Amino acid sequence: DGGITQSPKYLFRKEGQNVTLSCEQNLNHDAMYWYRQDPGQGLRLIYYSQIVNDFQKGDIAEGYSVSREKKESFPLTVTSAQKNPTAFYLCASTPRVAGHQETQYFGPGTRLLVL
Amino acid sequence: QKEVEQNSGPLSVPEGAIASLNCTYSDRGSQSFFWYRQYSGKSPELIMSIYSNGDKEDGRFTAQLNKASQYVSLLIRDSQPSDSATYLCAVNPTGYSTLTFGKGTMLLVSP
Repeated sequence: DGGITQSPKYLFRKEGQNVTLSCEQNLNHDAMYWYRQDPGQGLRLIYYSQIVNDFQKGDIAEGYSVSREKKESFPLTVTSAQKNPTAFYLCASTPRVAGHQETQYFGPGTRLLVL
Repeated sequence: QKEVEQNSGPLSVPEGAIASLNCTYSDRGSQSFFWYRQYSGKSPELIMSIYSNGDKEDGRFTAQLNKASQYVSLLIRDSQPSDSATYLCAVNPTGYSTLTFGKGTMLLVSP
């Protein structure tokens, strides 16, 4: 089955701890994105990557870090510097990089809670 | 500045009625527009994409785009209780390879 997988489904973070959210896709998509969604809010862009070994900050990158070592994988680390990390985290990907924005497809999401 | 505005709702319609969801955007040069449906606790799923002025129909869904008015809408005909969800409007601003999302409109379809 082709698709985007995110793990874990739920993640608990202790104060001062870094945690990493996994995002994998087998769709051969070039671009990948991380969003954060808070209750009653839209999606806010954290980071995105259009090509392996390159990524750009989105609107709310502070307290987060990413890597893109493989085309299929785009993990997100929530660092201890992110003081309010409780949210629903969504990973998305698009088929190709172009001037014309292609449709973004979403993974199932990871819900992060702070203990 | 890139903003996408939606009425948060809820928009309540009876089963079988037409639901009309609206979205305005600030970047006049935007070229790509998307509607996503999001059930509670789930991730967004694509309903429609539209790139040109006018209407685009797909089953019970019709997307309407008016670039002069910077307005995009989604019509759902013969609304069903299973259509009850939050509908997100997303726009690709000029010069960006990303999407800007509205906060979504909650739709409630009553049997």
